[in-house]
Amino acid sequence: AQKITQTQPGMFVQEKEAVTLDCTYDTSDPSYGLFWYKQPSSGEMIFLIYQGSYDQQNATEGRYSLNFQKARKSANLVISASQLGDSAMYFCAMREKGSYIPTFGRGTSLIVHP
Amino acid sequence: GAVVSQHPSWVICKSGTSVKIECRSLDFQATTMFWYRQFPKQSLMLMATSNEGSKATYEQGVEKDKFLINHASLTLSTLTVTSAHPEDSSFYICSARAGLHNEQFFGPGTRLTVL
Repeated sequence: AQKITQTQPGMFVQEKEAVTLDCTYDTSDPSYGLFWYKQPSSGEMIFLIYQGSYDQQNATEGRYSLNFQKARKSANLVISASQLGDSAMYFCAMREKGSYIPTFGRGTSLIVHP
Repeated sequence: GAVVSQHPSWVICKSGTSVKIECRSLDFQATTMFWYRQFPKQSLMLMATSNEGSKATYEQGVEKDKFLINHASLTLSTLTVTSAHPEDSSFYICSARAGLHNEQFFGPGTRLTVL
């Protein structure tokens, strides 16, 4: 069974609009961390945001916020005020306690159009 | 902080030759680095964990004699693709853990094309 599921292979959003990228995860470990990475066409993986399983509040980093719904095991990334430079692949990842290696989802391709 | 570099950024080689890819942590020490492989439009596949001063730990299905990993110092890990063949053509990315949450910081990747 997949530990990280990103059901949206591709998303389109208009510039300046907000967009939500879905991510659900599967773990029986009560302690885990969730990550989002951005991969532009250049290939580099850029760390965006982190959410710990025990964090009481949703993580935010600038225009990025994580809609963490623990009971539903979902960790959706919300990008507000989309910019053309946000066009990229976005990967959700989870790291369980005791492992220093995260598991990555298949990614979602986001295209921001003017 | 937490900058990881990779060299070369791209390489084209003939079938049968060996290719070495370097991964460096520029502003921190990394006792552990990770090597990933990524095919077009797919996710990252972990190949191996590189441990400073000891043998690498390879994921199931990854040939250790094919993909030689050396982690000789706290800031450098190398991946050598030996006797490369066209099916080895891929995007190779390294990473190291750093930061408040031990998140992975990735190098810019190396695009290998074997003719």
